[in-house]
Amino acid sequence: GAGVSQSPSNKVTEKGKDVELRCDPISGHTALYWYRQSLGQGLEFLIYFQGNSAPDKSGLPSDRFSAERTGGSVSTLTIQRTQQEDSAVYLCASSPALAGGGPDTQYFGPGTRLTVL
Amino acid sequence: AQKVTQAQTEISVVEKEDVTLDCVYETRDTTYYLFWYKQPPSGELVFLIRRNSFDEQNEISGRYSWNFQKSTSSFNFTITASQVVDSAVYFCALARGYSSASKIIFGSGTRLSIRP
Repeated sequence: GAGVSQSPSNKVTEKGKDVELRCDPISGHTALYWYRQSLGQGLEFLIYFQGNSAPDKSGLPSDRFSAERTGGSVSTLTIQRTQQEDSAVYLCASSPALAGGGPDTQYFGPGTRLTVL
Repeated sequence: AQKVTQAQTEISVVEKEDVTLDCVYETRDTTYYLFWYKQPPSGELVFLIRRNSFDEQNEISGRYSWNFQKSTSSFNFTITASQVVDSAVYFCALARGYSSASKIIFGSGTRLSIRP
């Protein structure tokens, strides 16, 4: 079946512009996660959704970052007034989040490489 | 606080050698889950294994094996008879075990290079 998809695969923008990154989770997965991977670094958690609600948004680095999820499916991560330090690969993951049994395995998309000039 | 440490930044071995990637974690939770992911040069993270804190049995999957030791808070990963295709960055990760959805805390990764 289809995996997690993200668009665009690459985005180059100028400092100060807003960008929107999109994630399509695996069909039927109720949980959706956003992570960020800076060059040569590990993965940094940003936010996750259970359905359309975001129980944990503790990783968003500033109020310039926001995310939403509609219809329990597609999610959009928006970065306003982009800065050069926002340059990174933004990864989306989804999991079934079945009741009980602890956290399910998260399956990752290919990422969006964001470059802020 | 939760933390995952992968002290080996880079490892390089010759093909067919065995190699072990170390992972040490910190958590105050009694219920937690551990993961390993592989990130090949293509960039996409590939899930390898998920293990809960109550299951300390070692696991083997083909050339891959994992050694989970709660006494030392370690979850090490061994590749036997390594191959060039094993070259990738490997991440060890930790999640709290109290709900079906939880953020994952990743280690900084170990870059493994297998030389022909």
